[in-house]
Amino acid sequence: NAGVTQTPKFQVLKTGQSMTLQCAQDMNHEYMSWYRQDPGMGLRLIHYSVGAGITDQGEVPNGYNVSRSTTEDFPLRLLSAAPSQTSVYFCASTPSGGTGTYEQYFGPGTRLTVT
Amino acid sequence: AQTVTQSQPEMSVQEAETVTLSCTYDTSESDYYLFWYKQPPSRQMILVIRQEAYKQQNATENRFSVNFQKAAKSFSLKISDSQLGDAAMYFCAYRTDYGGSQGNLIFGKGTKLSVKP
Repeated sequence: NAGVTQTPKFQVLKTGQSMTLQCAQDMNHEYMSWYRQDPGMGLRLIHYSVGAGITDQGEVPNGYNVSRSTTEDFPLRLLSAAPSQTSVYFCASTPSGGTGTYEQYFGPGTRLTVT
Repeated sequence: AQTVTQSQPEMSVQEAETVTLSCTYDTSESDYYLFWYKQPPSRQMILVIRQEAYKQQNATENRFSVNFQKAAKSFSLKISDSQLGDAAMYFCAYRTDYGGSQGNLIFGKGTKLSVKP
C-alpha cells in the first residue's frame, strides 16, 4: 500500500491564483481530512469527510473548498490564493469513519507559498 | 469546545536521559482518545502512542509511556533513554466520537524536543 499520498510536495502561487492540492489513499478508509500547519499553531482542521459524497467544515474552512466523489480521493481547492494561506497542508485518513481508537494516517504534506 | 494545551514550546534532554512532555486538555466528554504524534524534520506525522480514556492503565510503547490523569485532564509523555532520533516536534492530540466532531483530531501547538549528545 502507498498509504496517503499528496501532490505536489511544494508549490508557489501568486495572490489570486487558484489551485488544487491532491490527496489519495489506497487503504479504503472512510474518513479523510485536511489540516494546515502554521508555526506555533499546531495543526488545524480545514475540512473533513466521513465518506464519499459527505463533507463538512472544520476549524478554518474559509478560502478552501473540498469534494469527495470517491472513497480514495479528497482534493482541496484554493479558489483565490491569499498570502494568509501560506502554510504546510496535510491530508489524513482513518478507517471506520473516524471513530474508535484508530490512528489517523498522514500524507507527507504540501508546502504552499503564496506571494 | 475542546482544547489541547502544551505549555512547553521547547524542551531539551541529554542523550540516554529521561524527559517528560506535558499536555492538558479541556472537555466535557467522558469517553475520548488521546494521542502523541512525532514530527521529525522530514515533516512526516508519526503516531507515538495512544490512550483510551476509559482505560485506567497508562499506555506504553517501548521507551515511550504516558501518565494519564483523567480527573486532572492531563496526558504527559515520558521518553526514557532518549536517543538522537527522538529529536522532533511532538504534538498532543484529542479526539471524541461524540458531539458532532466524529473523527476530528484537536492538536496542541507542539513541543520541540532537542536531544544533546
